[in-house]
Amino acid sequence: AQTVTQSQPEMSVQEAETVTLSCTYDTSESDYYLFWYKQPPSRQMILVIRQEAYKQQNATENRFSVNFQKAAKSFSLKISDSQLGDAAMYFCAYRTYYSGGSNYKLTFGKGTLLTVNP
Amino acid sequence: ETGVTQTPRHLVMGMTNKKSLKCEQHLGHNAMYWYKQSAKKPLELMFVYSLEERVENNSVPSRFSPECPNSSHLFLHLHTLQPEDSALYLCASSQALAGYEQFFGPGTRLTVL
Repeated sequence: AQTVTQSQPEMSVQEAETVTLSCTYDTSESDYYLFWYKQPPSRQMILVIRQEAYKQQNATENRFSVNFQKAAKSFSLKISDSQLGDAAMYFCAYRTYYSGGSNYKLTFGKGTLLTVNP
Repeated sequence: ETGVTQTPRHLVMGMTNKKSLKCEQHLGHNAMYWYKQSAKKPLELMFVYSLEERVENNSVPSRFSPECPNSSHLFLHLHTLQPEDSALYLCASSQALAGYEQFFGPGTRLTVL
């Protein structure tokens, strides 16, 4: 079974600075998807960024980018020019690529609580 | 209303009560999900429905009973819960079951006394 590990329960960053959240995962599959979700306090979880394992290029969405190291099974999220609205719980998640079976299942890490200091 | 909505947002119940959580999606999706989010634990998938048929019951105790009357609505009926069932219960939906992004609701914060 796949597992996702987020080793940083909490992180903090100064407004306008850059922060990197870590995620490692364990899988025997070669094709899969990785995600970062953001859950602000008392608000719904939203998808921040997605990476397909078969793509070598790291995904980028505005100020959010990932460092995907397939061999190391590492998937970190970099937030540039941090804003107060970035404060949230961030979850790393894995989903298998293969059709059939349970390819709707998301395996989540425990999350990293990010605080942004003004 | 847009996206995925959940009611109530907060619920306090005794162990002998019966209550229901409601989820509604306004996205035209065909798959819906219940998750349990406990402090310091990863999200746990509880139930999955596709086209109103249950396709996943992730070893959830029978005191949790899901119902999906149509593709837009999902309920979680609760009875004789335990204090350890206190958690945030999240609903999600996706366009179809396989390979599509899941959209989450804001959750219901459940406290069992």
